[in-house]
Amino acid sequence: EPEVTQTPSHQVTQMGQEVILRCVPISNHLYFYWYRQILGQKVEFLVSFYNNEISEKSEIFDDQFSVERPDGSNFTLKIRSTKLEDSAMYFCAGGAGGRPQHFGDGTRLSIL
Amino acid sequence: KQEVTQIPAALSVPEGENLVLNCSFTDSAIYNLQWFRQDPGKGLTSLLLIQSSQREQTSGRLNASLDKSSGRSTLYIAASQPGDSATYLCAARGGGADGLTFGKGTHLIIQP
Repeated sequence: EPEVTQTPSHQVTQMGQEVILRCVPISNHLYFYWYRQILGQKVEFLVSFYNNEISEKSEIFDDQFSVERPDGSNFTLKIRSTKLEDSAMYFCAGGAGGRPQHFGDGTRLSIL
Repeated sequence: KQEVTQIPAALSVPEGENLVLNCSFTDSAIYNLQWFRQDPGKGLTSLLLIQSSQREQTSGRLNASLDKSSGRSTLYIAASQPGDSATYLCAARGGGADGLTFGKGTHLIIQP
């Protein structure tokens, strides 16, 4: 069964550095999402992306964050200048209309 | 703003028991509700999706119900097995919204 693939599985970055998290969604998905889960807390919605543009974003998704789908397959989340509080597990998900959202295994981001 | 609550936070039962996990949401104007399973350090595996027009969905030993008017959903697990041990998450998608709002989950342990 096709899977959502995320790379890397673990990223360690110095505070203030830029980081790019990558995802390869399932090919027939039309909507793409990023979520994050800070250790011990709820999974939180960051942003949804449809038809090559952001369709919805949460309060967390400020100017430090950006998303793009540069080549029609990869879907990326960029954090421009990382902060300690950005340390979390970041999940990519995909879906189509009212169908289930399917999640990747996540990237654990550790900011030092 | 949608809030999702899951009770209990943790549950430990002997193998073979039937059990019920509860999820409540504050805004009944949901588009659908999705149940997930999360294993330690892993991503989210979709279990069941209930559309707002549906009252229940079944998959194998799992049955999820939805009562929009009371803002509740339950996940029923029949004949529990040690392999069912995981954290179970409930997530609501609001009408007109893309992102899911998650509960904090129920940490389930099935004792052999």
